[in-house]
Amino acid sequence: GAGVSQSPSNKVTEKGKDVELRCDPISGHTALYWYRQSLGQGLEFLIYFQGNSAPDKSGLPSDRFSAERTGGSVSTLTIQRTQQEDSAVYLCASSSSPPNDYEQYFGPGTRLTVT
Amino acid sequence: GQNIDQPTEMTATEGAIVQINCTYQTSGFNGLFWYQQHAGEAPTFLSYNVLDGLEEKGRFSSFLSRSKGYSYLLLKELQMKDSASYLCAVRARANDYKLSFGAGTTVTVRA
Repeated sequence: GAGVSQSPSNKVTEKGKDVELRCDPISGHTALYWYRQSLGQGLEFLIYFQGNSAPDKSGLPSDRFSAERTGGSVSTLTIQRTQQEDSAVYLCASSSSPPNDYEQYFGPGTRLTVT
Repeated sequence: GQNIDQPTEMTATEGAIVQINCTYQTSGFNGLFWYQQHAGEAPTFLSYNVLDGLEEKGRFSSFLSRSKGYSYLLLKELQMKDSASYLCAVRARANDYKLSFGAGTTVTVRA
């Protein structure tokens, strides 16, 4: 079956512009996660959705970052007024309901470059 | 906060065995995960340990000691395709689904 998909795969933007990153989770997966991976660093948790609600936004680095999920499916991560330190690979993952929620399935990521 | 440590790089020969260690200090514990990530690709799930002991899955095994805050991933009969980054991750609470990741260990398999 189809896995997690993300778009775009690559995004180059100028400092100060807004960007939107999209994630399509595996059909039926109730949980959705956003992480980012900077060069040489581990995956950093950003936000978690259960259905359309986000019980944990603790990882969002600043108020320039926001995310939403609609219809319990597609999610969009928005970064406003991008800065060069936002350059990273943004990964989305999804998982099913307990007891099989332990395995997170990752998408291929969006590589964001802020110039 | 969460602190998860693993070596940065390891090199081994095809057919050999490599053990990747991971130590963690977290505010809670509800499972330790290993993921494999080939360059430019998405991480893929390898193993999950929540109880002490060894979990074996083919050529890969994962061990956990909760009292020591320690895990290892054992890769046996190494193949060239095993060259990848191996990520150790911890889930702190049962109702908290986010994972805290280490920086990853890059394993290079040489012929």
